[in-house]
Amino acid sequence: QKEVEQNSGPLSVPEGAIASLNCTYSDRGSQSFFWYRQYSGKSPELIMFIYSNGDKEDGRFTAQLNKASQYVSLLIRDSQPSDSATYLCAPYNFNKFYFGSGTKLNVKP
Amino acid sequence: DAGVIQSPRHEVTEMGQEVTLRCKPISGHNSLFWYRQTMMRGLELLIYFNNNVPIDDSGMPEDRFSAKMPNASFSTLKIQPSEPRDSAVYFCASSLLAGGDEQFFGPGTRLTVL
Repeated sequence: QKEVEQNSGPLSVPEGAIASLNCTYSDRGSQSFFWYRQYSGKSPELIMFIYSNGDKEDGRFTAQLNKASQYVSLLIRDSQPSDSATYLCAPYNFNKFYFGSGTKLNVKP
Repeated sequence: DAGVIQSPRHEVTEMGQEVTLRCKPISGHNSLFWYRQTMMRGLELLIYFNNNVPIDDSGMPEDRFSAKMPNASFSTLKIQPSEPRDSAVYFCASSLLAGGDEQFFGPGTRLTVL
């Protein structure tokens, strides 16, 4: 079993819609959860992170965490073509850094 | 700030040759990470330094790989001898704090081993 599971996609949504990206993880000790965005041919960059169960909002982005279910998600509201990228889920547990393989998102104009 | 600097940006070499990748982290950052990214395996952590000391090198695939951080502003990842399966994009990243903190990635080095 992989430490981090993400649907590779591509996930296609129309412009203006909500994109929902999901991630499950196996390390129950994971303390914090990071979402990185990676444009094709570029390096990953942080979108947001979450530590506590529940929702955390940052502009058009909302991260949701359910530690009991070992599940974390990222919602992107009012999706824009510029959001088209691969989104990497990255749980962290005391010097253990994991990255999922990412979900490729396509936002169609 | 210039961000994380990596060199070279592209490297093409022949099997059996030694390859050295270089990284300059963001000034003041205490942690440095080396990653390898391929289509098949995604982004894999190779080694993690904190205050120039290797903390976890369990991701280093085999003895052909070695990494050093002689000071706070420089790190190298060496592959000797290189093999075609080492072809990948190698990223260096740094973070201000140890542990779970935002990592800032360099532009990567695309390595091709023929």
